[in-house]
Amino acid sequence: AQKITQTQPGMFVQEKEAVTLDCTYDTSDQSYGLFWYKQPSSGEMIFLIYQGSYDEQNATEGRYSLNFQKARKSANLVISASQLGDSAMYFCAMRELLRGGNQFYFGTGTSLTVIP
Amino acid sequence: GAGVSQTPSNKVTEKGKYVELRCDPISGHTALYWYRQSLGQGPEFLIYFQGTGAADDSGLPNDRFFAVRPEGSVSTLKIQRTERGDSAVYLCASSSSGGPADTQYFGPGTRLTVL
Repeated sequence: AQKITQTQPGMFVQEKEAVTLDCTYDTSDQSYGLFWYKQPSSGEMIFLIYQGSYDEQNATEGRYSLNFQKARKSANLVISASQLGDSAMYFCAMRELLRGGNQFYFGTGTSLTVIP
Repeated sequence: GAGVSQTPSNKVTEKGKYVELRCDPISGHTALYWYRQSLGQGPEFLIYFQGTGAADDSGLPNDRFFAVRPEGSVSTLKIQRTERGDSAVYLCASSSSGGPADTQYFGPGTRLTVL
């Protein structure tokens, strides 16, 4: 089974609008971390936001927020007030902490295009 | 400050040759990771170092792949007898301690093409 599933290969959003990128995960561990990364066309992976499995509040970092629904095992990324520079690939990732927490499992990514 | 750097940025080689890919982590970061990213896919874990030792090499696909980090800083990923299927972008990341919520900072990657 896939550890991380991102079902939206491509998304479009109008500039200044909000967009939600979906991510579901599969783990039997109680302790895990969820991450979102942005990968522009330059190729470098840029960390956006982190959510721990025991965090009661949804993580927020500026225009990024993580809609964490533990029972549904989903960790959707919400980008508010989209900007042209947000056009990139977005990857959801998970780290299972009880198993040593060394491996990050990444999804296949969502390509976001912001339309002017 | 300086981020993670990787050299070369591009490497073209012939099938059967040996290649070395280098990663310079952020200064002071004890944890270092190697990933492989094929076209249209997310990064795939290869190996994790904590200091000088390989704490987890379970992601290395076979014994043609090997990585070292002799002084706990720079790491080299070595691929012997390269095959066309090894063509991918090889990403390196480092983090301060490898702790649970530790953020990994990625380098720009090395694009390996095996002809």
